[in-house]
Amino acid sequence: EDKVVQSPLSLVVHEGDTVTLNCSYEVTNFRSLLWYKQEKKAPTFLFMLTSSGIEKKSGRLSSILDKKELFSILNITATQTGDSAIYLCAVGTDKLIFGTGTRLQVFP
Amino acid sequence: DAGVIQSPRHEVTEMGQEVTLRCKPISGHDYLFWYRQTMMRGLELLIYFNNNVPIDDSGMPEDRFSAKMPNASFSTLKIQPSEPRDSAVYFCASSPLAGTYNEQFFGPGTRLTVL
Repeated sequence: EDKVVQSPLSLVVHEGDTVTLNCSYEVTNFRSLLWYKQEKKAPTFLFMLTSSGIEKKSGRLSSILDKKELFSILNITATQTGDSAIYLCAVGTDKLIFGTGTRLQVFP
Repeated sequence: DAGVIQSPRHEVTEMGQEVTLRCKPISGHDYLFWYRQTMMRGLELLIYFNNNVPIDDSGMPEDRFSAKMPNASFSTLKIQPSEPRDSAVYFCASSPLAGTYNEQFFGPGTRLTVL
């Protein structure tokens, strides 16, 4: 059975800290890995990764994929209170399979 | 662009009642997805359509759930009869590309509470 596991489940940090969120997967027919941010509403797209070792970057967020070890990480540097959200990892096969997410709370 | 539109945003109903959730995808998007999100199980795919045709409904929990897409700009998810365990947030998403593994654009969701 295809599965996507995220860790940690929850993370509490102070503004300015750097955090690393993890996503590991076991799926057949891997096509892509996507990261979404979900605040109190709909998930919003962050990154899509298809190749190992190529970092995607957007401002303070970056992500990389390791297709040999079957995982991805999402890094957030210099965290801000606005980064507080649930971060979802999804693996694309013949559908998107979502992990249960990491809840990040950033306090001033 | 208005994004994916869902209605209603909130629905409270009693067990046994019929519930209909509605979705308007982004114009030009060929793929439409229905998801359910709960604390216990996270975000789960229920069904998806490509060019208005249902492709994979293996995530539909049971016969009480049905979905239709009569045209490219409208889809419904119906629960009949509803049960308390159906309480969740239901998201609709659409995608312009091979949406099963590319970026999907999510609507604001419908929060369903079945008493």
